[in-house]
Amino acid sequence: AQKVTQAQTEISVVEKEDVTLDCVYETRDTTYYLFWYKQPPSGELVFLIRRNSFDEQNEISGRYSWNFQKSTSSFNFTITASQVVDSAVYFCALSEATYGASEKLVFGKGTKLTVNP
Amino acid sequence: DGGITQSPKYLFRKEGQNVTLSCEQNLNHDAMYWYRQDPGQGLRLIYYSQIVNDFQKGDIAEGYSVSREKKESFPLTVTSAQKNPTAFYLCASSPGPRGNQPQHFGDGTRLSIL
Repeated sequence: AQKVTQAQTEISVVEKEDVTLDCVYETRDTTYYLFWYKQPPSGELVFLIRRNSFDEQNEISGRYSWNFQKSTSSFNFTITASQVVDSAVYFCALSEATYGASEKLVFGKGTKLTVNP
Repeated sequence: DGGITQSPKYLFRKEGQNVTLSCEQNLNHDAMYWYRQDPGQGLRLIYYSQIVNDFQKGDIAEGYSVSREKKESFPLTVTSAQKNPTAFYLCASSPGPRGNQPQHFGDGTRLSIL
């Protein structure tokens, strides 16, 4: 069965600190997709990134970066120079890649990040 | 702008009452989903639909029902059989089975018991 573990329940940092959110996944599929979503206090989930299992290149988008390592089944998310607006709950999610099937997501329990001024 | 609209934002249910949560999308997406979120928990899939007039149970479908009569609409009914309905409900949509495109989410409905 697929499973996503976000071991950090809550993290609190001071503005401008770097912070890494951990995500470990389990799947028997050789082809799969990983996602990160942000849930601000308003409640909606905002898509941040999608990565397929064949692409292990790290990705950087502004202050955000993602480190995908198949060897350790991890897909960690780093925010550089954190800001108060980064305060949110962050979810890591996993889906199978069966073409023709609906993209059901399995979510981790989320990490609540608080960035203090 | 294209997006997903959920209504109402807050909903209260009396004991033994059925309530229906609305979800409408104008993204022309084929697939739609309903998730339940409890405090400190991730999202759990209730029902999903890949196409009009078709839907499948997710992991926690008991006590819930859905319909998909139109492409843009996927209402969720929380029945009296759902004994613990207090939660945050999120609706999502995606283009469909075309390679795991990201799901787009609505703003959610918070359901409480009176």
